[in-house]
Amino acid sequence: NAGVTQTPKFRILKIGQSMTLQCTQDMNHNYMYWYRQDPGMGLKLIYYSVGAGITDKGEVPNGYNVSRSTTEDFPLRLELAAPSQTSVYFCASSYSRAGGKETQYFGPGTRLLVL
Amino acid sequence: KNQVEQSPQSLIILEGKNCTLQCNYTVSPFSNLRWYKQDTGRGPVSLTIMTFSENTKSNGRYTATLDADTKQSSLHITASQLSDSASYICVVSSYGNKLVFGAGTILRVKS
Repeated sequence: NAGVTQTPKFRILKIGQSMTLQCTQDMNHNYMYWYRQDPGMGLKLIYYSVGAGITDKGEVPNGYNVSRSTTEDFPLRLELAAPSQTSVYFCASSYSRAGGKETQYFGPGTRLLVL
Repeated sequence: KNQVEQSPQSLIILEGKNCTLQCNYTVSPFSNLRWYKQDTGRGPVSLTIMTFSENTKSNGRYTATLDADTKQSSLHITASQLSDSASYICVVSSYGNKLVFGAGTILRVKS
C-alpha cells in the first residue's frame, strides 16, 4: 500500500492564482481530512469528508474548497491565493471518525508559498 | 477555549540519554490523547493513543502517560537514538471529528 499520497510536494503561487492540491489514499478509508501547519503552530483542520459525496468545514475553511467524488481522492482547491495561505498542507485519512481510537494516516505534505 | 500546550518547545539531548516531553490540555469533553512523531519534511506518524481509562501506554522505547484528573500527559523516550530527532506532537480529541493539536516539541539527539 502506498498509504496517503499528495502532489505536488512544493509549489510557488502568485497572489490571485488558483491551484488544486491532490490527495489520494489506497486504504479504503471513509474519512479524509485536510490540515494546514504553520510554523510554531499546531495543525488546523480545513475541511474533512466522512465518505464520497460528503464534505464539511473544519476550523479554517475560508479561501478553500473541496470535493469527494470517490473514496480514494480528496482534492483541495485554492481559488484566489493569498500570502496568508503560505503553509504546509497535510492530507490524512482514517477508517472511522478522528475523535475515536482510529489512527489517522498522514501524507507527506505539500509546501505552498504564495508571493 | 480548547487548547493543547506542550513543553519544552525544543530540547537537545545526547544519544543514549532519556528525556520526557510534557503536554497539558484543556479540551473538553475528552475522548482520547495521542502522541505523534513528525520527521522533518514528512507527515505525522502515530506513536500512541490513550483513552480516559488508560494511564500508560508503551510503543518500544516510547512510553506515554496520562493523568486525566490534572489533564496532563507525558512522553518518555528511553535510550535515545539519532533517529529520534523529530517533532513530537500531542493531540487531544473530543467526540466527533474534533482534534486539537499542540504545536509540538522539537527534539534533537546529538552524538
